[in-house]
Amino acid sequence: GEDVEQSLFLSVREGDSSVINCTYTDSSSTYLYWYKQEPGAGLQLLTYIFSNMDMKQDQRLTVLLNKKDKHLSLRIADTQTGDSAIYFCAEKPAAGGATNKLIFGTGTLLAVQP
Amino acid sequence: DVKVTQSSRYLVKRTGEKVFLECVQDMDHENMFWYRQDPGLGLRLIYFSYDVKMKEKGDIPEGYSVSREKKERFSLILESASTNQTSMYLCASSLTSGGAPDTQYFGPGTRLTVL
Repeated sequence: GEDVEQSLFLSVREGDSSVINCTYTDSSSTYLYWYKQEPGAGLQLLTYIFSNMDMKQDQRLTVLLNKKDKHLSLRIADTQTGDSAIYFCAEKPAAGGATNKLIFGTGTLLAVQP
Repeated sequence: DVKVTQSSRYLVKRTGEKVFLECVQDMDHENMFWYRQDPGLGLRLIYFSYDVKMKEKGDIPEGYSVSREKKERFSLILESASTNQTSMYLCASSLTSGGAPDTQYFGPGTRLTVL
């Protein structure tokens, strides 16, 4: 079945790079996403990657996709205290069809120490 | 900007009460979703709707029902609230385009406590 796994917690110092990892099981996934949830708020889309890409860079964010290992990572360069949040990985299975049903991971709480 | 609003940020109800959670989106999206979020479990899909009056069960529909009478509004109903339904409830909406990223846009969430 479909499953998306993430570690629950990551702590980094301000200015360091953060790497949040995710593994998924559905090799037919068409898109993979990273969402950010700040305290007391809903989820916001940070970035996404199409399944035929290996890497996508957007300012301080770098997404790496290893399709063979079904592994997705999000690297945040020069991590700031404002990056403290829960980060969710999600996949869009091909079988999800037109309804855009996504499968979300458990979320990784990123704590940035000043 | 897409806006998804939820009727309450915080709600406290008693066991056995009927609870309505409302969600409204302003971007004419076909798809709407209700999730619950619990620590360590991530987001779990309760129900979704791909058109007016259409609904499909998600992964954990037991104890919930939904209503979509108008395109912009999707309601989650707890027929008889129980303490294990204490959670954060998130609504989302998205377009249907078949092949594109079709981002889901989320509301701010409703934190429901059932006593």
